[in-house]
Amino acid sequence: ILNVEQSPQSLHVQEGDSTNFTCSFPSSNFYALHWYRWETAKSPEALFVMTLNGDEKKKGRISATLNTKEGYSYLYIKGSQPEDSATYLCAPGGSARQLTFGSGTQLTVLP
Amino acid sequence: DAGVTQSPTHLIKTRGQQVTLRCSPKSGHDTVSWYQQALGQGPQFIFQYYEEEERQRGNFPDRFSGHQFPNYSSELNVNALLLGDSALYLCASSRDMMGTDTQYFGPGTRLTVL
Repeated sequence: ILNVEQSPQSLHVQEGDSTNFTCSFPSSNFYALHWYRWETAKSPEALFVMTLNGDEKKKGRISATLNTKEGYSYLYIKGSQPEDSATYLCAPGGSARQLTFGSGTQLTVLP
Repeated sequence: DAGVTQSPTHLIKTRGQQVTLRCSPKSGHDTVSWYQQALGQGPQFIFQYYEEEERQRGNFPDRFSGHQFPNYSSELNVNALLLGDSALYLCASSRDMMGTDTQYFGPGTRLTVL
């Protein structure tokens, strides 16, 4: 069972601020890392799947980086908007082909 | 494309009862995974079905069982319900078992055990 840690647990930012949060995971037996955004009363929405050390992915104002050697990934949001308010979950998948989710970072963007 | 659908949306049961939750995967997907999300935690992997067989299982007791049908839809059964089984149950579908393909989630079934 992987030990996945996400920090911070929750975050409040002002509209227009840029922000970032961290996902830490064991670097051994790494296969892929998934990032999801989960808005209240909706289904978790896939953001990125990352596999290679040094990978960088971007989707609009959201981007992510991956360091498999040290076991962490950063998610960045540039110019946060109220609609970015959600819980952001990371899930490394090891060779066991199952995802282990962290507890998430709950982001609130204040207008 | 309807995406991943789950039924029912909400369910209330009492301790000791049995429950069946249902999931229809996204069109073109053949792999279904089930997760339990308790309050304040991330989703926890229960098991995964592929070609009508359970291929991977998380740390859940045998009271949790499942089934996948030829049309790839799936059921999650929980027997002898405990208060601690109260949670949101999520179904996710994908195209492969390797873990690199995106898993698409349904809206979940909220189970309350009284």
